[in-house]
Amino acid sequence: GAGVSQSPSNKVTEKGKDVELRCDPISGHTALYWYRQSLGQGLEFLIYFQGNSAPDKSGLPSDRFSAERTGGSVSTLTIQRTQQEDSAVYLCASSPGLGSSGANVLTFGAGSRLTVL
Amino acid sequence: RKEVEQDPGPFNVPEGATVAFNCTYSNSASQSFFWYRQDCRKEPKLLMSVYSSGNEDGRFTAQLNRASQYISLLIRDSKLSDSATYLCVVNPRYNFNKFYFGSGTKLNVKP
Repeated sequence: GAGVSQSPSNKVTEKGKDVELRCDPISGHTALYWYRQSLGQGLEFLIYFQGNSAPDKSGLPSDRFSAERTGGSVSTLTIQRTQQEDSAVYLCASSPGLGSSGANVLTFGAGSRLTVL
Repeated sequence: RKEVEQDPGPFNVPEGATVAFNCTYSNSASQSFFWYRQDCRKEPKLLMSVYSSGNEDGRFTAQLNRASQYISLLIRDSKLSDSATYLCVVNPRYNFNKFYFGSGTKLNVKP
């Protein structure tokens, strides 16, 4: 696609429910990142996918968070048993990836705003 | 200590003013540097990369000082549309997939 697409744009859920957030990166981009941004805060790294390599999950805050990337394209971030502190904007970004021109320039999606009541 | 630190501002300046922001980074092994712009409730967008020799893009000038470990962004002839939060981003040499984001500096350009 022309840009990074994320859905849903807004999600309101009750504490304890599971949520799935989707990211469709720019076509041909091999690197995909998930970040979290709480109100008035900086970006917090969650997870990174590069091609078929094992993902870097070092930023996931707890085992309630998981992510997968199917077929090297679309990614889904899943939060199980949501808590109020999970409320934030979840941003996905993609880049051309290692060995490509502009490899480390990130293009962000518009984000998924999660509110846990 | 945070990897990247920025003055949160806000910087309130009149139209036409020149304004400069600095950003300090803690890891001397940092390789690549960027300024991103984030409008309210929007996603960050790349403003410009920062090169060792310094670079300019229209009214925007970026500088890198490796000895003192900071980067700067200068905006000349500020426009109302420049009002946004400016994020400093650092990418270390030792870990290509890691990007460290500053918390951002908020700029308000007033008529």
